[in-house]
Amino acid sequence: QQQVKQSPQSLIVQKGGISIINCAYENTAFDYFPWYQQFPGKGPALLIAIRPDVSEKKEGRFTISFNKSAKQFSLHIMDSQPGDSATYFCAARTQGAQKLVFGQGTRLTINP
Amino acid sequence: DSGVTQTPKHLITATGQRVTLRCSPRSGDLSVYWYQQSLDQGLQFLIQYYNGEERAKGNILERFSAQQFPDLHSELNLSSLELGDSALYFCASSVEASGTQQFFGPGTRLTVL
Repeated sequence: QQQVKQSPQSLIVQKGGISIINCAYENTAFDYFPWYQQFPGKGPALLIAIRPDVSEKKEGRFTISFNKSAKQFSLHIMDSQPGDSATYFCAARTQGAQKLVFGQGTRLTINP
Repeated sequence: DSGVTQTPKHLITATGQRVTLRCSPRSGDLSVYWYQQSLDQGLQFLIQYYNGEERAKGNILERFSAQQFPDLHSELNLSSLELGDSALYFCASSVEASGTQQFFGPGTRLTVL
């Protein structure tokens, strides 16, 4: 129940295309859903986050779509660029707890 | 640059040994979190400290311990090391204890031979 399942494991998108990464969860006590971006040799960096009381949050080219009834959320990267090539992690936090539970990660490659 | 610093960057040691990893949080952050990242287990939460006190515990082995000092830096101690402890160890910090808005350091790569 503490798991967050992320898919796909790897994704190749052409420059200018839309990258979509999906996550699903079972624990309805999760109340905070961040996405992290990690480049090789670096630590994860907070990209964007959403709470379950909204269905969508957009920051620049990055959008989180959240479907509370389906217990799913996804990251959309519009106009994907080679500089977006990285590993992306979704995560979730249980209300009242402090720890983040991470998905397994998606390695995204944007071809020029 | 997240503002979180970790030392050392790389550590190579032998089985059975003990090592200490150090983390300095961002200025003003009171919470420190430790994570282990390995290929098979992904990013796993180990432990959290807030203003010197332990606040949350995750999948941390009994051979591992941590503490946060009055100047808010934190240390993760790993003892009786095994081959399977080889991983990237990340520290993150945040202003609050809530677990949101965590900023990660560059990590320490531990190799146990």
